[in-house]
Amino acid sequence: GENVEQHPSTLSVQEGDSAVIKCTYSDSASNYFPWYKQELGKGPQLIIDIRSNVGEKKDQRIAVTLNKTAKHFSLHITETQPEDSAVYFCAARYNFNKFYFGSGTKLNVKP
Amino acid sequence: DTEVTQTPKHLVMGMTNKKSLKCEQHMGHRAMYWYKQKAKKPPELMFVYSYEKLSINESVPSRFSPECPNSSLLNLHLHALQPEDSALYLCASSQDHGSDTQYFGPGTRLTVL
Repeated sequence: GENVEQHPSTLSVQEGDSAVIKCTYSDSASNYFPWYKQELGKGPQLIIDIRSNVGEKKDQRIAVTLNKTAKHFSLHITETQPEDSAVYFCAARYNFNKFYFGSGTKLNVKP
Repeated sequence: DTEVTQTPKHLVMGMTNKKSLKCEQHMGHRAMYWYKQKAKKPPELMFVYSYEKLSINESVPSRFSPECPNSSLLNLHLHALQPEDSALYLCASSQDHGSDTQYFGPGTRLTVL
């Protein structure tokens, strides 16, 4: 199966700073890597994703990079805002529709 | 509309009760999922339905019984649960088995007394 590791478990930044969350995966067969944001009491919301044939993807203040050789991918949030505070999960898709999630990063953006 | 709805939002049940969780989507998706999420942990896959047939069961105890009556509905029947089954139960859907994007519902917060 797949194993996804995520770091850090908590991240505190000042408003306006950048935040970076990193994930590694174990199985080279994984080919799709979504990132989810989960606010308290809500379900995970997809914020950005990347497929294995792409190295980088950007959507406004959010970007994801993928290094297939090293089997790691990262989430970059620039110009952070208090509303970015949430728990962020990375995931890797393995074997059709089996998604394995990282352990989560609690991001706190201080005003 | 990319909404997945779940009812109820909260459920408290005793260990001898029988209850059901419901999930609905109207996006025409043909794959639906149940996940279990404990506090401060990531979601864990329980079941996958593809075209209304059970395609993945992640060795879930039989006290959890899924059902997919039609392409828009997904149920999770609960019977003789244990206190350790208390968690947030999330439903998700995707275009079909093998599609990338999953859309999650808000979850049902289950407490077993």
